[in-house]
Amino acid sequence: DVKVTQSSRYLVKRTGEKVFLECVQDMDHENMFWYRQDPGLGLRLIYFSYDVKMKEKGDIPEGYSVSREKKERFSLILESASTNQTSMYLCASSLSSRGPGYTFGSGTRLTVV
Amino acid sequence: AQSVTQPDIHITVSEGASLELRCNYSYGATPYLFWYVQSPGQGLQLLLKYFSGDTLVQGIKGFEAEFKRSQSSFNLRKPSVHWSDAAEYFCAVGAPGGGNKLTFGTGTQLKVEL
Repeated sequence: DVKVTQSSRYLVKRTGEKVFLECVQDMDHENMFWYRQDPGLGLRLIYFSYDVKMKEKGDIPEGYSVSREKKERFSLILESASTNQTSMYLCASSLSSRGPGYTFGSGTRLTVV
Repeated sequence: AQSVTQPDIHITVSEGASLELRCNYSYGATPYLFWYVQSPGQGLQLLLKYFSGDTLVQGIKGFEAEFKRSQSSFNLRKPSVHWSDAAEYFCAVGAPGGGNKLTFGTGTQLKVEL
């Protein structure tokens, strides 16, 4: 089975801190995605990547950046955390040849205080 | 751009009853369609997907969904619900030729009464 591993299940950070959320997949998937999930809003795409060192903005990229230095790892960075970034963050990956159809990580619940 | 509407925020059914969760999409052609389930505190698990062909799709855990082009719908069904089906369900749409991005609905929370 493909595994998508998010390094932390729960994080508590202070306002203004730089926050790194890490995601690693073990099945050589080209595509990786970061979503945030909020009650009543569903999942919203923050950033995605189709290849190493490439990134594209999703629907809500403001306040976030990403890094993909290796194929298996996709990092989400909150440059200066704010309370409105308190959320559940979900990482996903997919294989291009099989079309869209993600494998998700278990999520990181981030609280910014 | 594609969009997805799940009109029911919460649904409660009795164990053993049938279930139908609604999903409507907006897209200019036939999209890729998905249903995911999320148990509390977990990531999302793929239940089933539709790319083309037979409009009735079978998935895991006894779920099925039917693509109806005329109604722009992809409703999820199960003939007999089990207490373990209590979870949140998300419909998602992807655009053929639009890369691998998916757009998700806002989810339907399913409660199962024993």
